[in-house]
Amino acid sequence: DGGITQSPKYLFRKEGQNVTLSCEQNLNHDAMYWYRQDPGQGLRLIYYSQIVNDFQKGDIAEGYSVSREKKESFPLTVTSAQKNPTAFYLCASSTLGTGGSEQYFGPGTRLTVT
Amino acid sequence: QKEVEQDPGPLSVPEGAIVSLNCTYSNSAFQYFMWYRQYSRKGPELLMYTYSSGNKEDGRFTAQVDKSSKYISLFIRDSQPSDSATYLCAMSARYGGSQGNLIFGKGTKLSVKP
Repeated sequence: DGGITQSPKYLFRKEGQNVTLSCEQNLNHDAMYWYRQDPGQGLRLIYYSQIVNDFQKGDIAEGYSVSREKKESFPLTVTSAQKNPTAFYLCASSTLGTGGSEQYFGPGTRLTVT
Repeated sequence: QKEVEQDPGPLSVPEGAIVSLNCTYSNSAFQYFMWYRQYSRKGPELLMYTYSSGNKEDGRFTAQVDKSSKYISLFIRDSQPSDSATYLCAMSARYGGSQGNLIFGKGTKLSVKP
């Protein structure tokens, strides 16, 4: 089955610790994205990547870092510099060819930092 | 003015009702319009994708775009309790590569009562 996987589903961390969220896709999509979703806030873009070894900051990149060493993988690290890291994190991917820009989402990781 | 406005609801309807969900937008360059369905604690699922103005039908779902009014709608016929979810509109001005510019509404929470 083609799709996007995120792990783990739930993650608990102590304040001051870095944590890495996994995102893998087997859709052969070129572009991958990380969003953060908070209640009543909608989806906010953290980082995106269109090709391997290249990525751009989104609207709320401060306190986060990413890497794109493989086309299939786009891990997100939530660093201790992120002031309010507790949220629902969503990974998405899309093609870059013809046909528009619809994105397909993974199941999400709920991060709780205490 | 926000780029995309969407009434958060909640919207409660009886089973079998016709549901109308709407978004307005301010950027006349938007050409690609999407509707996503998100169940609680899950990732968004792409429901409908339309380009420019007009209607698109898929089973019980109809997406409508009125670019002159900067207004998009999603209609659900014969609504079912399984349609209870949050519906997100999304739109983009960029053809092909998304370059992180998919703009989301905050979502409307729908509840269909048996």
